[in-house]
Amino acid sequence: SQQGEEDPQALSIQEGENATMNCSYKTSINNLQWYRQNSGRGLVHLILIRSNEREKHSGRLRVTLDTSKKSSSLLITASRAADTASYFCATDRGSTLGRLYFGRGTQLTVWP
Amino acid sequence: DAMVIQNPRYQVTQFGKPVTLSCSQTLNHNVMYWYQQKSSQAPKLLFHYYDKDFNNEADTPDNFQSRRPNTSFCFLDIRSPGLGDAAMYLCATSREPLSYGGDPGEQFFGPGTRLTVL
Repeated sequence: SQQGEEDPQALSIQEGENATMNCSYKTSINNLQWYRQNSGRGLVHLILIRSNEREKHSGRLRVTLDTSKKSSSLLITASRAADTASYFCATDRGSTLGRLYFGRGTQLTVWP
Repeated sequence: DAMVIQNPRYQVTQFGKPVTLSCSQTLNHNVMYWYQQKSSQAPKLLFHYYDKDFNNEADTPDNFQSRRPNTSFCFLDIRSPGLGDAAMYLCATSREPLSYGGDPGEQFFGPGTRLTVL
């Protein structure tokens, strides 16, 4: 079954604006990951944050994790039209077997 | 470039006619996964292999089977496809998981096979 929920389900912004997506989950975790999926394609890994980390950066991406609230956020700064995609968070539900459980995703549209 | 390859990219089958989807990888990863993703939904894990050890998710229907003849290849067999099995099927790989002394890291996905059931 689905692990968590992304919020909002859809987000529409102009180029240059920042995009913030949130993810909530239900169980303890070892790590949380964010993936991107262009329409009709496979998923691409963006960033992994471990349960003992609170914030992580990668280029224009900033991820935060609050294990007490079981939530994470993904911030994309200075959005570009090419950032248009679906963004999913995924957790391991505390498993050490490598399995991931995905949320429903946020559909981000960035208008030129 | 090292990658995960899925064939075919589009597959059409008839209701009840068995179908096999294939996945190959050049990453030499121990772990391979199959996910089902229906339109506008989350990818749902069906099963995964650590080497040849098969792990089925509790809610994966019996209609779905899998084979991994070697490290590089993994197959998804749908014995009697129903209309509800129409979806994108995603294959992914990862390195040694935590429980085997590794690091979970990221999963590497193939482009997916879109299955249509007529």
